[in-house]
Parts: sequence; C-alpha cells; structure tokens
Amino acid sequence: SQQGEEDPQALSIQEGENATMNCSYKTSINNLQWYRQNSGRGLVHLILIRSNEREKHSGRLRVTLDTSKKSSSLLITASRAADTASYFCATDAFFGNEKLTFGTGTRLTIIP
Amino acid sequence: EAGVAQSPRYKIIEKRQSVAFWCNPISGHATLYWYQQILGQGPKLLIQFQNNGVVDDSQLPKDRFSAERLKGVDSTLKIQPAKLEDSAVYLCASSLSGQAYEQYFGPGTRLTVT
Repeated sequence: SQQGEEDPQALSIQEGENATMNCSYKTSINNLQWYRQNSGRGLVHLILIRSNEREKHSGRLRVTLDTSKKSSSLLITASRAADTASYFCATDAFFGNEKLTFGTGTRLTIIP
Repeated sequence: EAGVAQSPRYKIIEKRQSVAFWCNPISGHATLYWYQQILGQGPKLLIQFQNNGVVDDSQLPKDRFSAERLKGVDSTLKIQPAKLEDSAVYLCASSLSGQAYEQYFGPGTRLTVT
C-alpha cells in the first residue's frame, strides 16, 4: 500500500518559477526522503529529512517536515528545464526495518 | 564509484512464461531491495535483503515470485509463471545498513507480458 500521497499529481510551470509539491503520510516515521525520476537517470535521491528536523536545504531545494500534520513539502526554486521529472516522497516508518514506502508522485513539467 | 547494475534492461515474454532479473549492488552495501513500479505509480517494495538474509518480503507474491541473494552480493528476482499484471519496471536498489541512509537505484528492467 502507498504510505505517502503527493499533491498535486501534476504541475506545469514556466522556467524560472518556483515549484512546490506536498506529501502526506499516515504513520510515524524515522525520516522522509524525496526522490526524482526521469527517463534519463532513473530514480535519484534528492534529500533526506529526519523526524526531529523541521527544514532542510540543498542547493535550490528546500524541504519542510511537519510531523504533527504528517506532511512534508518540497520547494524547487528558480526552476530549470532539467527539473522536468516525477518527484516522489518516501517514508521510513518508525518500525519499518529501514523499509521505504513511496508515494504516488508529482509529475513536474517545466515550460521553457 | 560504480552504480547499481541491472540486466536485462528490457524483456518481453508471453504470459505463463518465466523470467529472471539480475542485480549487482554498490560494493559494500549490505542492504538490497527489489521494487515493482507499475506505470503511473510509485515503486512498491517486493523484498528487502540484509546481507543474504530476507528482512521483509511481505509484499512479494510468493506463489509466483522468488528472489535470492547469494553470498550477500548479487541478487536475482524470478517470476514463474508470469501474468499480464506483472508488466512493470523492476527496480533494484542498495544502501548502507542502518537508519537514515539513502537508497541508490539501478536503471531498472522494463518487463512486458503479452
């Protein structure tokens, strides 16, 4: 079963704009990770945020985590055409044996 | 550093036939995962190994799917007999053991069952 649900399912923005994707999950977690998938490079890890962290940055990426609401958001600033991909959140459940459960994904399209 | 290797990249078989996929994880990664990704969905974990022991196979259809990891390195995933609904991309991933480690994914095997 899918633990995480991304919102929106699809998003199209102009190059240079910011993109925000949201993820909701159901059970307590150790950490939450975001991955990107495109046809050229497969699934690639972007960022990991632990359950005791509220915000994390990596380059043009900003991730927030609200464990009280069981939700996370991924912000991509100054988008580029190369950011066109599907983005998935994945949760490492509290008693999950390091198992990741992936969400349904957000399909992001950057319009040049 | 070499990435996760998978073969074949593509496979087309008829229903009721058998198929096998191979994965070579990143050197030193104790944990290996097989995922099934159906078009338009996120990856779904089929089986997780730590070294050569199974940690989780709760979502593996054991009547038709089997997997092994010999000597704690390479792994094979087999489907016998295949059904139409098995058409998907099969992804292998590996990670260092312990919490809070990212997973590294291979390019996947796209299986089409006709």
